[in-house]
Amino acid sequence: GAGVSQSPSNKVTEKGKDVELRCDPISGHTALYWYRQSLGQGLEFLIYFQGNSAPDKSGLPSDRFSAERTGGSVSTLTIQRTQQEDSAVYLCASSPGTSGSRQFFGPGTRLTVL
Amino acid sequence: AQTVTQSQPEMSVQEAETVTLSCTYDTSESDYYLFWYKQPPSRQMILVIRQEAYKQQNATENRFSVNFQKAAKSFSLKISDSQLGDAAMYFCAYSKNTGFQKLVFGTGTRLLVSP
Repeated sequence: GAGVSQSPSNKVTEKGKDVELRCDPISGHTALYWYRQSLGQGLEFLIYFQGNSAPDKSGLPSDRFSAERTGGSVSTLTIQRTQQEDSAVYLCASSPGTSGSRQFFGPGTRLTVL
Repeated sequence: AQTVTQSQPEMSVQEAETVTLSCTYDTSESDYYLFWYKQPPSRQMILVIRQEAYKQQNATENRFSVNFQKAAKSFSLKISDSQLGDAAMYFCAYSKNTGFQKLVFGTGTRLLVSP
């Protein structure tokens, strides 16, 4: 498949548990973005990777959120000690990283915290 | 900080008719990009159309066109000959043209298409 993939598609967890969300970008795309889509906050930027580096993590809502990217490819978003307000759809996007380049989105992971 | 505003939570159109979705934005940058993304129930965000701020000519993609008014900071999307498959959430988005280009989204407009 040539598109951005994310796993799992849906995740239900209990409050206080840790979760990992995975994003596989399009091969060769150097830029990778995480966004969160929730009813209360709309679509908001979380973090950006250029290669394996994250130049800006200012969108991460708290220190319970972290992300990494390895080999300039796969990225994992980790949420520790989940709270009910973390329930949302987490979207990943990748792009070639050049000026004005289009971001290609994955199908998202719907996270439900009970 | 840049902001994007979509004032129409929901719009309705009949098949084959034309509908216009509104978007305004605020930025102090002179060079930037504007986008319209479509999100069907599958959740996949699909790029509909993109406009570069330094280009005066309005972008078009088949049945989709924009009316870009830079001075007014307005960026509306016109869908002509609407089809049932156009039903979705539509998001207006902004990104700078320098540094990393995170997207700033509006709150979205739900488009309903009736036969």
